[in-house]
This record gives sequence, structure tokens and C-alpha cells, in this order.
Amino acid sequence: EVQLVESGGGLVKPGGSLRLSCAGSGFTFSNVWMSWVRQAPGKGLEWFGRIRSKVDGGTIDYAAPVKGRFTISRDDSKNTVYLQMNSLKTEDTGTYYCTYDSSGYNAFDIWGQGTVVTVAS
Amino acid sequence: QSVVTQPPSASGTPGQRVTISCSGSSSNIGSNYVYWHQQLPGTAPKLLMYRNNQRPSGVPDRFSASKSGTSASLVISGLRSEDEADYYCAAWDDSLSGHVFGGGTKVTVL
Repeated sequence: EVQLVESGGGLVKPGGSLRLSCAGSGFTFSNVWMSWVRQAPGKGLEWFGRIRSKVDGGTIDYAAPVKGRFTISRDDSKNTVYLQMNSLKTEDTGTYYCTYDSSGYNAFDIWGQGTVVTVAS
Repeated sequence: QSVVTQPPSASGTPGQRVTISCSGSSSNIGSNYVYWHQQLPGTAPKLLMYRNNQRPSGVPDRFSASKSGTSASLVISGLRSEDEADYYCAAWDDSLSGHVFGGGTKVTVL
């Protein structure tokens, strides 16, 4: 069964750091581009970054709100992608999802269950 | 403020037809495929439509979608109680070099 499982969420103070993990199973993890999407409480979905597969260069794209503060990385030996979040702000509070396209149609058809990050003092 | 605009809400009675609009620009919907996601309360999003009007396996055919110019729409024909959810359109944005989601439309079954 294809599965993504996020972990690492929790409560952190403004200015603090947190690292999220997204572990994949049931597919060839090294071949996929992994994206991160977040959702503030009661708000919509926001894509904020992706990491390409190593065969496609392994390069990373970030959306403006997180550029310079968040870092996406991957360890294909562990079938895991990481999200290092630094200089956290209260507006970073939300549910964080990892997702990828298994269809080949650039569609986010596989999603994790999400992990909750709360940035508050 | 999302660069792709959706109405915040839509509603209908069981069996009715509901249409959700999605308005973007030449840099996103106008030049790239549109995708739709359904998010049931308390769950992760689920892909509902891809490449403007294609349904993944398992999605009921009462869901359909279309795109014209810089706008797109999702139609739910024969609304059912289990369709009560948030619906998001999405597309790649060439100017932002990123995926953009619409603000979401909450569908209520009356």
C-alpha cells in the first residue's frame, strides 16, 4: 500500500525551530518529487516547497513566505523527506502535509495524514 | 490572498447540481492544467480531478470539470450528503514558479 506518514509536529515558540519528517512506503521513493503543503487553522491549502528526485537533479523550490527559513531535504536510503523550519512565526501554525504525484500527471494524488505545528508563546 | 479565486461557499439540496468556479490568470490557469481536490472534514485532501477534466479511478462520474481561458469550474451533478466538503482548485503558476491553490469552496448539502 502506498503511504506517506508525517511526524515531528508540536508546539514551538516564535523564533524557534522544528523538523518534520515524511516517510514513504509502498513505492520507489527515490523516483518521486515530494512537495509540502500546509493549511492554517480554518484556512485553505498553501503549497510552499518541493524537492526533485536525485535523478532529476535533487533541486528544491520554495515559495516566498518560507524562503530562507525552511529547508527541504531528502534521505532516499530512509525513504524520508525532511522539512527543517527555522525562525518560526505564529503564521506558520497549521497542519503540514507531504504529497506527491504517483500518476505521472503532475497531480498530487498521494497525501500524508498531516502533522500539526503550533507556533505560540 | 490567493492568486486563484474561488467562492467561499456553495450549497444545494440532495440531487441538485452545484457548480464551483475558479478564476485565475494567464500565468496559472491560462497556461497550465487545473486540478481539483476534495477535503472532507478533518482529513487530508484527496485528488478529485486532474488535467482540467480527468477523473482519477474511483471518483464518481457525478463530478466533472472544465476549463476555459483563465477560469475553470467543477460541477457536482446529483449532489449527495457525502459531498459536503471543501473543494480546492489548483494550478502551476509560471510567474511564481510554484503551485497555487484557490482559497477553497465549502459545499454544504442542505
